[in-house]
Amino acid sequence: GAGVSQSPSNKVTEKGKDVELRCDPISGHTALYWYRQRLGQGLEFLIYFQGNSAPDKSGLPSDRFSAERTGESVSTLTIQRTQQEDSAVYLCASSLADARKDTGELFFGEGSRLTVL
Amino acid sequence: AQSVAQPEDQVNVAEGNPLTVKCTYSVSGNPYLFWYVQYPNRGLQFLLKYITGDNLVKGSYGFEAEFNKSQTSFHLKKPSALVSDSALYFCAVRDGSVNAGNNRKLIWGLGTSLAVNP
Repeated sequence: GAGVSQSPSNKVTEKGKDVELRCDPISGHTALYWYRQRLGQGLEFLIYFQGNSAPDKSGLPSDRFSAERTGESVSTLTIQRTQQEDSAVYLCASSLADARKDTGELFFGEGSRLTVL
Repeated sequence: AQSVAQPEDQVNVAEGNPLTVKCTYSVSGNPYLFWYVQYPNRGLQFLLKYITGDNLVKGSYGFEAEFNKSQTSFHLKKPSALVSDSALYFCAVRDGSVNAGNNRKLIWGLGTSLAVNP
């Protein structure tokens, strides 16, 4: 597609349920990031995929959080046994990430707003 | 270690006045510097970047930023603020060296909320 697509745009769930958020990056972009943004706050890095390299999972806040990406395509962020503190907007971004061509600009999706009741 | 600092949580400016949003950085290699803007209830949008060349870079919506290597700063500026510029502004840096490896990950500041008063 023309831009980064995220779904669902809004998700309301009950505490303890699992949720899955999807990100479809721009075609050809090898780098993909997931961020969390709480209301009025900055970006909290969660996980970074770059091509076929092992993902950088250093930002995942707990083992309830996991993310997968198949090749250079769609990524899913899964939150198990959701807690109220997980309520936030989850942003996905992609970039070209070629060392010779990449100038590092990230293209963001509109985000998935998660509300845990 | 790579880092970005935005020393001001909030900046208030009157419409028509010049604005500055500050950013300082630390990176081990060649800095690639970015500004992004987030309007209320929207995703982040790229505003401008410094990769190489002229220290003064111009971006969208009349914004510009000056790369100052000696002060390791990349402050965002606009000569005349508009009420519609009110938003959250984020500075980011990454190591642009070809051999940067994992240091190519973008590092973000915490954001500065800009309020332009009519």
